[in-house]
Amino acid sequence: GENVEQHPSTLSVQEGDSAVIKCTYSDSASNYFPWYKQELGKRPQLIIDIRSNVGEKKDQRIAVTLNKTAKHFSLHITETQPEDSAVYFCAATISSYKLIFGSGTRLLVRP
Amino acid sequence: GAVVSQHPSRVICKSGTSVKIECRSLDFQATTMFWYRQFPKKSLMLMATSNEGSKATYEQGVEKDKFLINHASLTLSTLTVTSAHPEDSSFYICSAPPGGRAGVTDTQYFGPGTRLTVL
Repeated sequence: GENVEQHPSTLSVQEGDSAVIKCTYSDSASNYFPWYKQELGKRPQLIIDIRSNVGEKKDQRIAVTLNKTAKHFSLHITETQPEDSAVYFCAATISSYKLIFGSGTRLLVRP
Repeated sequence: GAVVSQHPSRVICKSGTSVKIECRSLDFQATTMFWYRQFPKKSLMLMATSNEGSKATYEQGVEKDKFLINHASLTLSTLTVTSAHPEDSSFYICSAPPGGRAGVTDTQYFGPGTRLTVL
């Protein structure tokens, strides 16, 4: 079945610096790759997504890139702010819109 | 954006009792909903797919008689944890991709979660 690996598990950056989180997936049929931000005790919030017919997508300080050949996709956050501190999950869809999640990255932005 | 609610947000029960969790899509229809389980500081694990008007499909290793799912309408799915035990204590979250009978989109919106504690 589909497996999604996510790295790093923790990431600490200085405010203003960039943060990059990387994921790889195993099922070449996957075609939708969302990223979620989850704060402690809260629901995951969709922050950006990308579909397999697109190589890159940007929304203000957040961007996602997808390399279908290598089966990996990455989240880029620029000009990080303390409120960006949270756990970030990547995911990939398999059949019937099911999402398989990565293991999560705990991002800490130091003021 | 689309809104998904869950009820209750928190429940504490005695071992052996059954607990029902509701997941509602408030401003869209959802023929399919998903149930996840999340342990502290861990990722979301897909438990089952809830299908309106038909049986739920369960992921490998998830006991269907333990976790009963009913998708009674296009806006409501329920998860019942039967004969709960302490090891069932977890954060249960549902999600729904907007889509009525005409089709389903792949973007999913999550409910706020239900924290279950079994004593």
